[in-house]
Amino acid sequence: QVQLQESGPGLVKPSQTLSLTCTVSGGSISSGGYYWSWIRQHPGKGLEWIGYIYYSGSTYYNPSLKSRVTISVDTSKNQFSLKLSSVTAADTAVYYCARYLGPIAVAGFDYWGQGTLVTVSS
Amino acid sequence: DIQMTQSPSSLSASVGDRVTITCRASQSISSYLNWYQQKPGKAPKLLIYAASSLQSGVPSRFSGSGSGTDFTLTISSLQPEDFATYYCQQSYSATVTFGGGTKVEIK
Repeated sequence: QVQLQESGPGLVKPSQTLSLTCTVSGGSISSGGYYWSWIRQHPGKGLEWIGYIYYSGSTYYNPSLKSRVTISVDTSKNQFSLKLSSVTAADTAVYYCARYLGPIAVAGFDYWGQGTLVTVSS
Repeated sequence: DIQMTQSPSSLSASVGDRVTITCRASQSISSYLNWYQQKPGKAPKLLIYAASSLQSGVPSRFSGSGSGTDFTLTISSLQPEDFATYYCQQSYSATVTFGGGTKVEIK
């Protein structure tokens, strides 16, 4: 059974960089076949895709966030990470990591982390 | 980007009711459409993938249909545990987009 777990600070100051890590267990990122994703949800709102990474390092980002987002992977630790720079209060959200078979694939985001609330405040 | 529009944004229904939620894509996405259920404080759960395929472990009262631009999620007989918010998501484009969600509330 694949499990994902987000970790990182729950409070970030405005203008700083939000950094989160997702640790994958029960499956290996380096075995390929999946895109490892970040999705967020503003309080009381819908789901917003942030981006995803393949084990090889190929990334795809939401165009609206692309200038501030970096997703990286560490296959030795079976982890992938999110960095979001120059944060404002509008980046306050629950951040989820998830596994995705990718575009043009007959599957969706099939495993999710429990989510972690990140609040941007001074 | 492909825009996904869900309707209604919310609905009230009773246990045992048949419920239908609609999702429309701004361009054809073939059958690359997925549905999720989210309960308060929990991560979304994949219900349906490829428009009509039931994810393993999901009750058969859930079904999906459609192709191209118009899709539906149907709950044949609403159960107490089905009160939640439902989202559609297109997996046609490398850039992922979700619908705005449909909240199913108890009447």
